[in-house]
Amino acid sequence: AQSVTQPDIHITVSEGASLELRCNYSYGATPYLFWYVQSPGQGLQLLLKYFSGDTLVQGIKGFEAEFKRSQSSFNLRKPSVHWSDAAEYFCAVGGSSNTGKLIFGQGTTLQVKP
Amino acid sequence: GAGVSQSPSNKVTEKGKDVELRCDPISGHTALYWYRQSLGQGLEFLIYFQGNSAPDKSGLPSDRFSAERTGGSVSTLTIQRTQQEDSAVYLCASSVGAGYGYTFGSGTRLTVV
Repeated sequence: AQSVTQPDIHITVSEGASLELRCNYSYGATPYLFWYVQSPGQGLQLLLKYFSGDTLVQGIKGFEAEFKRSQSSFNLRKPSVHWSDAAEYFCAVGGSSNTGKLIFGQGTTLQVKP
Repeated sequence: GAGVSQSPSNKVTEKGKDVELRCDPISGHTALYWYRQSLGQGLEFLIYFQGNSAPDKSGLPSDRFSAERTGGSVSTLTIQRTQQEDSAVYLCASSVGAGYGYTFGSGTRLTVV
């Protein structure tokens, strides 16, 4: 079955510290992988996506993610977190062979301490 | 339009009433999706449109839920005889095609009292 697991429901980091949000997926074909961010009261914004090629992808707001096929993971990272990064982060998986439907993880809420 | 537009942004309705939620996708986006986000939950897929047809409606929770899309553009999600468990944020997204990711609207927050 297709699924996405975000093991950490809630993470707290200090401003300026590094961040890694975990994402593991189960998908029968070559996956397309995405990270979205949802700020309070806002819609979801695409941070970055992986289709193929270089397994390290760069996104907006200084985020990057690395696709590791052997580990079925697509973890999101940022070297130095800013207070404005506090939000909920969703990992999603889909594929080219289907309808484009994305399966989302349950989300990770990031809190940033001053 | 410049983005995906959803209306209303908030809707409070009495249990048993019908509601209509509207989504206006980005011009030229042929794919349109409806998701539901309940409090503390992830995003639950409801239905997918390609043009005016809905090849995947597997996520609609019951026959009280229906959706249509006209002119390859605007979509309406209708919930009949609303129940309290229908309370959630309903998100619409559009895309140029599979693998391109979605652009989401800001959602409609539905509260059934």
